[in-house]
Amino acid sequence: AQSVTQPDIHITVSEGASLELRCNYSYGATPYLFWYVQSPGQGLQLLLKYFSGDTLVQGIKGFEAEFKRSQSSFNLRKPSVHWSDAAEYFCAVGSNYQLIWGAGTKLIIKP
Amino acid sequence: DARVTQTPRHKVTEMGQEVTMRCQPILGHNTVFWYRQTMMQGLELLAYFRNRAPLDDSGMPKDRFSAEMPDATLATLKIQPSEPRDSAVYFCASGSGLAGVEQYFGPGTRLTVT
Repeated sequence: AQSVTQPDIHITVSEGASLELRCNYSYGATPYLFWYVQSPGQGLQLLLKYFSGDTLVQGIKGFEAEFKRSQSSFNLRKPSVHWSDAAEYFCAVGSNYQLIWGAGTKLIIKP
Repeated sequence: DARVTQTPRHKVTEMGQEVTMRCQPILGHNTVFWYRQTMMQGLELLAYFRNRAPLDDSGMPKDRFSAEMPDATLATLKIQPSEPRDSAVYFCASGSGLAGVEQYFGPGTRLTVT
């Protein structure tokens, strides 16, 4: 069955510290991969995407993600988080007009 | 800066009333998606359209929900009659690019049914 797993429901990180959010997927073939961010009361904003090519992709707001085919993972990273990064982050994978969504990871920033 | 717009942003209605939510996709996008988000269920795909034709609405309760695209600039999601369990945030997204999966979301309509 196709699925996306974000194992961490919540993550708390100190401001200025590095961040890694995990995403693992189960899919028949290599799908297209996405990370979205949702701030409270807002819609989902596309952070970055992987379609093919270089497995390390850069996104907006200083985020990057690395696709590891052997591990079926697409983890999101940021070297130094800011208080404004507090939000919920969703990993999604798919093809043919449909995305399969992870349950989301809520990022809490400690001052 | 092209964006998906949704109206209304908030809607409070009584059980049994009809609710219509509207979405204007990004100009040039040929796929439109309707999602529902709740704390309990997370993000659920209700329906999606390609080139204005419905491709899949299997996520939608057929007896009370309907989705249409009267033209390329307008998508609607209607609930009739509404029930308290329909309370949620409804998102519209439009897409383009490879396989239509790259999706851009609107700000959502927060629906409360009392």
